Amino acid sequence: DQQVKQNSPSLSVQEGRISILNCDYTNSMFDYFLWYKKYPAEGPTFLISISSIKDKNEDGRFTVFLNKSAKHLSLHIVPSQPGDSAVYFCAASQGGSEKLVFGKGTKLTVNP
Amino acid sequence: GAGVSQSPRYKVAKRGQDVALRCDPISGHVSLFWYQQALGQGPEFLTYFQNEAQLDKSGLPSDRFFAERPEGSVSTLKIQRTQQEDSAVYLCASSLRHRSGANEKLFFGSGTQLSVL
Repeated sequence: DQQVKQNSPSLSVQEGRISILNCDYTNSMFDYFLWYKKYPAEGPTFLISISSIKDKNEDGRFTVFLNKSAKHLSLHIVPSQPGDSAVYFCAASQGGSEKLVFGKGTKLTVNP
Repeated sequence: GAGVSQSPRYKVAKRGQDVALRCDPISGHVSLFWYQQALGQGPEFLTYFQNEAQLDKSGLPSDRFFAERPEGSVSTLKIQRTQQEDSAVYLCASSLRHRSGANEKLFFGSGTQLSVL
């Protein structure tokens, strides 16, 4: 039973446009959410996070939105750049737990 | 080094063979995690150390899996009598403080890709 779901295995966008990656979760006890980015043959790297007490967090070109009632979060990248091409993982935790529960990832391709 | 280092990068094992995977966390990082990532899946939690203490091993799939961090720095994940279903990328991650997930970023290594034939 997947607690964190990324239903789109892949997404392709043009350079300069907005990329929107989506994530749904089923466990209402999750209170902290993170996005990780992974290039081939490398480990995931932290991108941005959001606490459940907020509904938006922004860091440069990256913004994460959280809709608790829908148990949905999204990552917006604008403008998208070819270097953003990677696999993006959504992850969640609860109660300050050290365990992160990851989704399956979405492969983003940004075309020049 | 500046990041989390894992070795070997690739490991091919025959079914039934024992393997040992090494992780060198970032110096000074208190917490260390092991995750397993099967092909096409996201990383799945295996176990967690705070310094040398293994505080959570609930994700270890069977008693063939064993992890240790005897001096609170380098960690080894050992898999005994490997099976084909053990084939995956094994990721190690570390963080500075003892509570990760909430406010502390995990720094991941590049992983060890294990193939069991």
